[in-house]
Amino acid sequence: GENVEQHPSTLSVQEGDSAVIKCTYSDSASNYFPWYKQELGKRPQLIIDIRSNVGEKKDQRIAVTLNKTAKHFSLHITETQPEDSAVYFCAASSVPASKLTFGTGTRLQVTL
Amino acid sequence: DTAVSQTPKYLVTQMGNDKSIKCEQNLGHDTMYWYKQDSKKFLKIMFSYNNKELIINETVPNRFSPKSPDKAHLNLHINSLELGDSAVYFCASRTGGGTEAFFGQGTRLTVV
Repeated sequence: GENVEQHPSTLSVQEGDSAVIKCTYSDSASNYFPWYKQELGKRPQLIIDIRSNVGEKKDQRIAVTLNKTAKHFSLHITETQPEDSAVYFCAASSVPASKLTFGTGTRLQVTL
Repeated sequence: DTAVSQTPKYLVTQMGNDKSIKCEQNLGHDTMYWYKQDSKKFLKIMFSYNNKELIINETVPNRFSPKSPDKAHLNLHINSLELGDSAVYFCASRTGGGTEAFFGQGTRLTVV
């Protein structure tokens, strides 16, 4: 089955700096890669996703890159703000199979 | 207009008891999940249902029994609760393998 590894487990950056979180997956059939943000005491919520036919996707300060050959994908957050502080999860899924496997999470702390 | 709702939000119970958690989605999704989030924040898939049919059972103890009376509902019954069952349980739903999963607000289960 799919195995998703995520690094780092914790990340502390100063406000305005960039943050990068990296994930690797094992199942070459995976072709959908979402990223979720979970604030303290809240539910995980989708912030961006990418499909295997795309190498990069950007939404304002957030971007995701995918390298299918290396089975790597990464989340990039620029100009970080205190409200970006949360736990971020990467995930992998294949179509049409419905299993959605999550990485182990990265706790991002943005300090003033 | 809650999309995925779980009840109860908090559940405190003694070891050995039996308890149920209910989940309902009004999004018309075909696939529903139960995830367990432990104290380290790992999001581990437990079960997945597609149109009321169990399709994923991730080596979860037999004490956990999911039931889907229709495709909008997925309940989780837990028998003989153990201390290690303490966690936050999330229900989620989505249309298919390449789409966003929507999470419920979570049920914090504490076994004492």
